[in-house]
Amino acid sequence: DTGVSQNPRHKITKRGQNVTFRCDPISEHNRLYWYRQTLGQGPEFLTYFQNEAQLEKSRLLSDRFSAERPKGSFSTLEIQRTEQGDSAMYLCASSPSPAGHEQYFGPGTRLTVT
Amino acid sequence: AQKVTQAQTEISVVEKEDVTLDCVYETRDTTYYLFWYKQPPSGELVFLIRRNSFDEQNEISGRYSWNFQKSTSSFNFTITASQVVDSAVYFCALRPAGNMLTFGGGTRLMVKP
Repeated sequence: DTGVSQNPRHKITKRGQNVTFRCDPISEHNRLYWYRQTLGQGPEFLTYFQNEAQLEKSRLLSDRFSAERPKGSFSTLEIQRTEQGDSAMYLCASSPSPAGHEQYFGPGTRLTVT
Repeated sequence: AQKVTQAQTEISVVEKEDVTLDCVYETRDTTYYLFWYKQPPSGELVFLIRRNSFDEQNEISGRYSWNFQKSTSSFNFTITASQVVDSAVYFCALRPAGNMLTFGGGTRLMVKP
C-alpha cells in the first residue's frame, strides 16, 4: 500500500493558461474524490468517481474544470483558462466500498496562478 | 444542508497539558459518519477516526479520545498529555448519505515545549 500520490506537487502558471493534475489512488480503492483547500479553510468537495463513472459534482466545479478517470484507476483534473481565484491546494482522496469508509488523502497539488 | 462548525480557530497549550477540540455538526440525515483528520505542517491530511451515527460509544486510542453526543450534535476530540508533535491543524468532517465529506474550518493546535 503506497498511499495516494499526486503530481505535480507544485504548479505555478500564468492567468489564462490550462493546467492538469494527476492523482493515483490506492490500488484497490474504487472511489476517488477531488477537493480544493484554500489557505486557512477546510477542504471543499469538488467531484467524486466510482470506478470510471463521475457520480457527483459540486457547484464549485465551474465549466472551466473537468475531471476524468478513464480506466477507473488514476484521475486527472484539468482547469482551463486559469484565474487567480483558482490558486489553492487541490487534494485527491480515495476509499474502498462500502460508502462511509474513511477517505485517504494524497499530499495535494499546490496551484499558484500569477 | 450539512454543516460542521469548529468554533476554536486556534488553541495554544504547553506540553503535557490536556486539550479538547470542539466539533458541532448539522445534518437532517439519520445515517451519517463523523471523522477527524490531522493536517501537520507537511500538509497531508491524516485520518484519525471514523464514527457512525448509530454508535455513540466513546473511543480511546492512546492519548487520543473522542466524545460523540447525538443529543448535542457534537463530536469532540481530546488529547491527553499533549506533545509538540501534536501541533497541527485538526479537521472534523461529516459524511451524510452522499459521498462527499463536509469539513469544518479546522482548529490550529500549537503545543509549546
